Amino acid sequence: DARVTQTPRDKVTEMGQEVTMRCQPILGHNTVFWYRQTMMQGLELLAYFRNRAPLDDSGMPKDRFSAEMPDATLATLKIQPSEPRDSAVYFCASATGRLAGTDTQYFGPGTRLTVL
Amino acid sequence: DQQVKQNSPSLSVQEGRISILNCDYTNSMFDYFLWYKKYPAEGPTFLISISSIKDKNEDGRFTVFLNKSAKHLSLHIVPSQPGDSAVYFCAANGGTSYGKLTFGQGTILTVHP
Repeated sequence: DARVTQTPRDKVTEMGQEVTMRCQPILGHNTVFWYRQTMMQGLELLAYFRNRAPLDDSGMPKDRFSAEMPDATLATLKIQPSEPRDSAVYFCASATGRLAGTDTQYFGPGTRLTVL
Repeated sequence: DQQVKQNSPSLSVQEGRISILNCDYTNSMFDYFLWYKKYPAEGPTFLISISSIKDKNEDGRFTVFLNKSAKHLSLHIVPSQPGDSAVYFCAANGGTSYGKLTFGQGTILTVHP
């Protein structure tokens, strides 16, 4: 069945290192979202794309985070350099983009990032 | 600025009883509301939604109520089952063209046998 996949599932790294998280949206979905889950903030939207074009990345710390969609089947979220406060679970979600405001988002299993 | 708030971090309920999860919002532009359910080590999954033109939507054991004047919505689960134990997120859409959602902090529901 169609699912959003994310790699890696778990990542432990040291402060200052570059981290790259990958997401494969459901085939045919043209809208991709990146979220971060923290205890205090719940699910925060970091960035989202439609037809591979970034629509909103206002939730992302610009100095260290970057998000791209090299092609329709791959979305990446990079952190460089990583800091301990970046430790969280990062989720990717995709949607068809056909239903505008009522579109259901389908989430991947997440990448648990720990920065030591 | 939390535009969607779930003020109860956790809720514990006996199996067979009703679970009521609450959510408040501040942005009057929100016109579509959703509940997502999340199990450990998995991503959130869509549960039920409601448009602002309605005040109730029902799907099996799950009912969502919307009170626009109070900017409040609630999710009722009747009867609650142990398999319902999960984190429940409330989310809202402000009517943008691309389905951007604002999520609450989540409520951990535990249903005891």
